Amino acid sequence: EVLMTQSPATLSVSPGERATLSCRASESVSSHLAWYQQKPGQPPRLLIYGAYARGPAIPDRFSGSGSGTEFTLTISSLQSEDFAVYYCQQYNNWPGTFGRGTKVEIK
Amino acid sequence: QVQLQESGPGLVKPSQTLSLTCTVSGGSINSGRYFWSWIRQPAGKGLEWLGHIYTSGITNYSPSLKSRLTISLDMANNQFSLKLNSVTAADTAVYYCARARETTKQPLPQFWGQGTLVTVSS
Repeated sequence: EVLMTQSPATLSVSPGERATLSCRASESVSSHLAWYQQKPGQPPRLLIYGAYARGPAIPDRFSGSGSGTEFTLTISSLQSEDFAVYYCQQYNNWPGTFGRGTKVEIK
Repeated sequence: QVQLQESGPGLVKPSQTLSLTCTVSGGSINSGRYFWSWIRQPAGKGLEWLGHIYTSGITNYSPSLKSRLTISLDMANNQFSLKLNSVTAADTAVYYCARARETTKQPLPQFWGQGTLVTVSS
């Protein structure tokens, strides 16, 4: 299985600031990389797919980049509703595997 | 907008079979090129894709669970189901059903149910 490693585990950010989350794959997954946002008691919500394409109704402050083994999710100006856990997931190989998540918390 | 809802027992005894059903509304399970999926999340941990079933009935299971897992479709009731046998405490998790769309590689989960907690304990 492809191992997905996210860093940092926790990111403390002030509202309005920029957040940068990293995801590394143990082997190339090309651009078959998705990002999800999860809030407590809720299912994951698809934010980004194809490494950089935004999902339906996802604000443009969320952007994804990268290919191969290194990927980044950037939130340009954090809003109160953005404080959550973010997961990356590769869907290049079966089974699709997820990272352990990055928790974005209020500084 | 498609909606998914998991249902089933919240408590299962060790060595028994965990059975869950996902009811789909807002769309037919028999239409479109979708993979009806099960994904779980142990408390405080990451997500694990268990397996899926295509609209045609073809299944694909995670290698680590393949020997214990069965996913099936119930077209008449617009549902799909999961059966995981010989469960242990390690199977305790929130179980999500999801609709995944076809891509050029593996399926991509788009719509998720709210999840249901299943605890394995005597």
